[in-house]
Formats: sequence, structure tokens, C-alpha cells
Amino acid sequence: EIVLTQSPGTVSLSPGERATLSCRASQSVSSNYLAWYQQKPGQAPSLLIYGASSRATDIPDRFSGSGSGTDFTLTISRLEPEDFAVYYCQQYATSPCSFGQGTKLEIK
Amino acid sequence: QLQLQESGPGLVKPSETLALTCSVSGGSISGTYYYWGWIRQTPGKGLEWIGHMSYTGTTYYNPSLERRVTISIDTSKNHFSLRLRSLTAADTAVYYCARVHPIGVGATRYYFENWGQGTLVSVSS
Repeated sequence: EIVLTQSPGTVSLSPGERATLSCRASQSVSSNYLAWYQQKPGQAPSLLIYGASSRATDIPDRFSGSGSGTDFTLTISRLEPEDFAVYYCQQYATSPCSFGQGTKLEIK
Repeated sequence: QLQLQESGPGLVKPSETLALTCSVSGGSISGTYYYWGWIRQTPGKGLEWIGHMSYTGTTYYNPSLERRVTISIDTSKNHFSLRLRSLTAADTAVYYCARVHPIGVGATRYYFENWGQGTLVSVSS
């Protein structure tokens, strides 16, 4: 099973700043089969990015995904107040799929 | 807009069977390439895929849970269900149902396009 390690565990930023979240895989994720999800308190995760860089429906373009192989990044270009949440990556190149442990993005 | 809603008991005794149902509205379970699945979340293990099923009955389960899990679909009611047997405290979690987007032939590669709000299940005597 591919193990995903997200860093940092928690990041504190201010609205308007740029956020860069990392997801590192224990082995190469073929065909960039990697997704990102956002989870707000008391809510389910929601899909942001699939295929490492494709935005899901209705996701603002301030969210972007990049990377390949074992290193992937989620970037939020200018943080809005509603972006402060926990973010998870998921690899789906091998089954069972696996999730990272999450990065909490909190307001500074 | 597609919506999924889990229902079922919030408290189950050890060794018993958990039965959850996910009702789907705003779209049909039938006749699409999507699969319908379950994921759970715990503070300790994080997010864990349980399994998913097509409307035609093809199923995929997490090997770690396969001996205890059954997913079924009722297209007439537009809902699908999860049964998890021989519960222990380690099965205490928030359970989510989801619409699963498969990649390519079969559904061994997949991501979760839509989620229900989740339901907390506690296993305790």
C-alpha cells in the first residue's frame, strides 16, 4: 500500500496569503492518480483536485494542484476566509487507495 | 444537484452487525458508470476506504475489511447499503457514503466525487 505523508501538519497563514501544501508518496503514483480534498469542521471531505492538477466542478481557480511521481503540491494562491480547513491527499493508482493524514490550514 | 444522506444507528454493541443506508437524491444510481461506496474516518487511522459497488452488482472491498463487509444496492429505492459484521471498538468512526468516480476499465482506480454528510457510529456495550 502506498503511504502518503502530508506536510506541514499545521500551517498558520493570513487571508490573502499563498498556501503551499505538500503530499509525498512512499512510491511513485502512476499516471498522477492523486486527488485533494477539503474538509471543514463537522462536514464531509469535498473533492478539490483530481488527476493531480484538474479542478473539480465549481472549484475556484485560486486552487491548483501540481506534481508527479512521489511529490505533489496543492497551492491556494490567495487565501479566502472560507479556505481555512483540513486538506487531504488521496492516491488512487493502486487499490486499496490511501489518504494522507491531513494538513490543517488555520488562520494566523 | 446530487445529494447523499446516510442513515442508521448511532450506537451498536460489540460483536453485532452495523447496517447503514445511503439515500441518493438529485440523480439516479442506475445506468451510469459511477460506483457507490463507503469510507470511514477515525481520529487515529484517518480516512479509510471500505468498498464500492456498481449498479450492476460489481463490488470491490478493502482487503482489510473484506471478510466482514457487504455492500448492496436497491435501484428501486435509489439507495445503497453497508453491512459490517463482528464489530469491535475499533470500528467506531464517522461513516460516509460517496459517489465513486472510477478510472478506466473496472473500478480499481477511483476517487470520491460526492460525499454524504457522514454519520457517527459508536461501538460500545
